Amino acid sequence: EVQLVQSGAEVKKPGESLKISCKGSGYSFTSYWIGWVRQMPGKGLEWMGIIYPGDSDTRYSPSFQGQVTISADKSISTAYLQWSSLKASDTAMYYCARRLKVAGPGPFDYWGQGTLVTVSS
Amino acid sequence: EIVLTQSPGTLSLSPGERATLSCRASQSVSSSYLAWYQQKPGQAPRLLIYGASSRATGIPDRFSGSGSGTDFTLTISRLEPEDFAVYYCQQYGSSPPCTFGQGTKLEIK
Repeated sequence: EVQLVQSGAEVKKPGESLKISCKGSGYSFTSYWIGWVRQMPGKGLEWMGIIYPGDSDTRYSPSFQGQVTISADKSISTAYLQWSSLKASDTAMYYCARRLKVAGPGPFDYWGQGTLVTVSS
Repeated sequence: EIVLTQSPGTLSLSPGERATLSCRASQSVSSSYLAWYQQKPGQAPRLLIYGASSRATGIPDRFSGSGSGTDFTLTISRLEPEDFAVYYCQQYGSSPPCTFGQGTKLEIK
């Protein structure tokens, strides 16, 4: 069974750093792209970026380039999303999701349960 | 960046009725790389349709997708109580970013 299990909720202060995780199981972690999606409170979905754990090829949305870092450790089948200096506006639910493998680009077919990040002084 | 505009913002229908949700793109979506997701409160999104018209694994056949170019539609033929949720379209052919629409809330009338 394919599963993506994310790390737990975080409460941080502005300016602090944070790294959240997404552990994949039940499939070949290195063979599928993993993406991150932000959902601010009461709002829609925003595509942040994506990584191919097999070779760490990473792509970012221009809106998030330079604001976050996406990485992966294939030895433990885990992808990461990190911030060096959080802002209150980073308060949101963050989902990781696996990209469906089809000929050409694919949508997200499996999703993690989400990690709620709250940034408040 | 391709902008996706979904309409209506909110759709109020009764169980058993037919729902038609629209997603319009600011430019042509290459090779119909258009997906639809369903999200219920407190849950992660669920993939319903990809490639504009292919149902994802386990999705009931009352869900269907159609369209090409800039205009796409998600149709739910006969609404079940569990279908009331928020629906998002996403284009994934032009990346990054693989943009989402702003969502359509399907509520019980």
